[in-house]
Amino acid sequence: QVQLQESGPGLVQPSETLSLICSVSGGSTSYSRYHWAWIRQSPGKGLQWIANVLYNGNTYYNPSLKSRALASIDTSKNDFFLRLTSVTAADTAIYFCARGIGSGSYPFDNWGRGTLVTVSS
Amino acid sequence: SSELTQDSAVSVALGQTVTIRCQGDSLRTYSANWYQQKPGQAPVLLIYNKNIRPSGIPDRFSGSASGSTGSLTISGAQADDEADYYCNSRDSSASHVRIFGGGTRLTVL
Repeated sequence: QVQLQESGPGLVQPSETLSLICSVSGGSTSYSRYHWAWIRQSPGKGLQWIANVLYNGNTYYNPSLKSRALASIDTSKNDFFLRLTSVTAADTAIYFCARGIGSGSYPFDNWGRGTLVTVSS
Repeated sequence: SSELTQDSAVSVALGQTVTIRCQGDSLRTYSANWYQQKPGQAPVLLIYNKNIRPSGIPDRFSGSASGSTGSLTISGAQADDEADYYCNSRDSSASHVRIFGGGTRLTVL
């Protein structure tokens, strides 16, 4: 069973850059059938998809975040990453990484436990 | 981009059947996936490819689709089913984009 684990700073200053790592174990990020995703949830709110990154480095973004988000992958380390620039309080959220299936209905079938990021001075 | 709309809250009596719906134009093209999220936990995939349950998901959970609406049915709701439920699909206007519904809070009475 694949497992995903997010890591990153719990607190980020406004206008700074948020950087997160998702470490994948029990499965390889090199398989072309999977997409690797970042999804966030603001306190008390619903889920918002941020980005997908594929094994070959191709990336896809939520149009509302595309100008500030950068996703990447290191298949040699089985990690993938998210950078979100110019953060504000509105970016305070639990950030989840997840594995997406790249076929059928394209579900997210495995999720990390999430990491809370607070944007505050 | 497209949107998926869900009722914000639904309730069901213990042991009864409840249907949670998700509506959006993208569902005319793509199937909905369904997730369950309990407080303080990550979402768990319940249904994909219209009506496929991942291993370990009880068969009281089922999915269906009609037109622009996807539905999740819980037959014989248990107290443990009290949670938030989210639908998601691909965006029909940009297939690489993923969208989520706003979520439905299910209360089991």
